[in-house]
This record gives sequence, structure tokens and C-alpha cells, in this order.
Amino acid sequence: AQSVSQHNHHVILSEAASLELGCNYSYGGTVNLFWYVQYPGQHLQLLLKYFSGDPLVKGIKGFEAEFIKSKFSFNLRKPSVQWSDTAEYFCAVNGGYQKVTFGTGTKLQVIP
Amino acid sequence: EPEVTQTPSHQVTQMGQEVILRCVPISNHLYFYWYRQILGQKVEFLVSFYNNEISEKSEIFDDQFSVERPDGSNFTLKIRSTKLEDSAMYFCASSDPGGTYGYTFGSGTRLTVV
Repeated sequence: AQSVSQHNHHVILSEAASLELGCNYSYGGTVNLFWYVQYPGQHLQLLLKYFSGDPLVKGIKGFEAEFIKSKFSFNLRKPSVQWSDTAEYFCAVNGGYQKVTFGTGTKLQVIP
Repeated sequence: EPEVTQTPSHQVTQMGQEVILRCVPISNHLYFYWYRQILGQKVEFLVSFYNNEISEKSEIFDDQFSVERPDGSNFTLKIRSTKLEDSAMYFCASSDPGGTYGYTFGSGTRLTVV
């Protein structure tokens, strides 16, 4: 069975600080990896996804993530956060044609 | 950009009543899903639907729940005899024919059971 772990539950940063949110997954085969964002009161939006190829994936709003197969990790990064990045971030995985499994989420609070 | 549309955006119902949550997936998608998110908790998988039948369901998706694709465009989740603990945000999603290129989620229906 596939699973996802997000180690940081709540992160507080000042504007312009760099961000890295951890995500580790468990699955025995080839996986597809995703990061979703949920702004307060809004629905889930896809930030970026990895299926194959370049392990460094660039998404919307200046976010990127790096797939490190040996570490079963897919950490999300942004060099300089803005107040508008305040949201909850979910890492997700699916193996092959299985359902997508979500992590428990990381709440990011950016202080102006 | 194509969207998944969900209606209503907010539904309030009395305990014991039946509710139907509606979703219009992206037109060329063949896989459909329902997820829910209880306030403050993680996003949980409920059910997946392909080729007019349930392909997978979670332990949450018991006899109280059912899904249907009544026509070529709508995908519905019915909750019979709602309970207080059914209060949550319900998200519909669809994915492309390959099933592996990420889901597109709808904006969700907030269900409040009183």
C-alpha cells in the first residue's frame, strides 16, 4: 500500500524567507507525485506534479520540488515566500493506476 | 482551462435526511473520484469510478453512500440518512484516460449536518 508522510505540520516564516516542506512516500513501484495547495476557504489546486524525467519539477507561483528516489522524498521548495503563500500544502502520491493518497498537510503561515 | 464543477457549494441538511452532491467532471476524463475533508483533518479518499462502476472504495464508503453517473456529464454522490459526522467538505475529481496525470479537483461542497 502507498503512504505519504509530511513531517512539518505547521511552519511559520517571514516574507522573503526560503521554504522547504518535507514529503516522504512509501510505495514499492513507480510512483507519480503531486503537491497541492489549499488557500483559506478555497479548494485544492495542483501546484506541480512528477511522473518521470527530470527529477526537479517546476510548478506554478515559483514553487519547485525535487524527486529523490533513493530517499523516497519529494520536497517542496520556494526561494522567497510571500504573504499570499499562506495556505495548507498537501503532498500526494499514486502508484500506477491507484487512487491518490494525500499526506496530512502542512500549514504555512507567512508573516508580513 | 477545463474545470470540474460541483454543486451546491454549501448544503445544510438535517440529520437523517438524504443529500445528493453533484459534480460535472472534465468532458474527456474517464476516471472519477470523491474525496472528503473533515474540518482540520486530512483529505480522505472515498471512492473511484470507472467504466460505469466503482473501481475502488475506502472503508468510509459504506452502505450509506452511493455514486452514480446518471447521464454523460454528471457524477453524483448520495449520502442516505446523514449523520453529524458526515459534515465535511466533499471534493469531486476527475482524471485523464491514462489515469496517471494528476487529478483536477472541483471547488468542493461544504456539507453541514445539523
